[in-house]
Amino acid sequence: SQELEQSPQSLIVQEGKNLTINCTSSKTLYGLYWYKQKYGEGLIFLMMLQKGGEEKSHEKITAKLDEKKQQSSLHITASQPSHAGIYLCGADRNGKLIFGQGTTLQVKP
Amino acid sequence: EPEVTQTPSHQVTQMGQEVILRCVPISNHLYFYWYRQILGQKVEFLVSFYNNEISEKSEIFDDQFSVERPDGSNFTLKIRSTKLEDSAMYFCASSERVGPYNEQFFGPGTRLTVL
Repeated sequence: SQELEQSPQSLIVQEGKNLTINCTSSKTLYGLYWYKQKYGEGLIFLMMLQKGGEEKSHEKITAKLDEKKQQSSLHITASQPSHAGIYLCGADRNGKLIFGQGTTLQVKP
Repeated sequence: EPEVTQTPSHQVTQMGQEVILRCVPISNHLYFYWYRQILGQKVEFLVSFYNNEISEKSEIFDDQFSVERPDGSNFTLKIRSTKLEDSAMYFCASSERVGPYNEQFFGPGTRLTVL
């Protein structure tokens, strides 16, 4: 089984709709990172969550960390075509990042 | 805004050939990393580098791989004798510090195709 599991694996939403992507760790989380990747391109840092219960927002994207459940969620409000891409959660393991398999988001205009 | 740069963006090579992938980390960063992503798979850690030494390497990073910081700005990944399964996107990253809660900045990647 994967150390970081993301769900869903893929998502197609209509523009304007809200959506949530989840990331669950099988090990204790000491920091959770969210990155966005466009197909075939690099990783763009979105947010880092440090403490249980922490919630951060950037524009229409909000991420939360539930340390007890070893889970994080990424919520996009009123999705736009520019939100399309692959969302990756990552966890720090002694200085290296371990990633989930990614969630592919398509936003239909 | 400072960013990590990588060259080339795409490298095509014949099996058995040596390749060198180049990265210029952010100038005040001290920790450097290589990751790879085989098409359709997860981003995987290869190696971390600090103070001119490898800090940690994964099982993937075998004797065919090496890293170097040849001067004050470049950070390179060399694959001595490429195999078909080395075809992947290779990402360089850098960070100011190490450990939890330190953002790693990623470059745009080099797509390596081994024929």
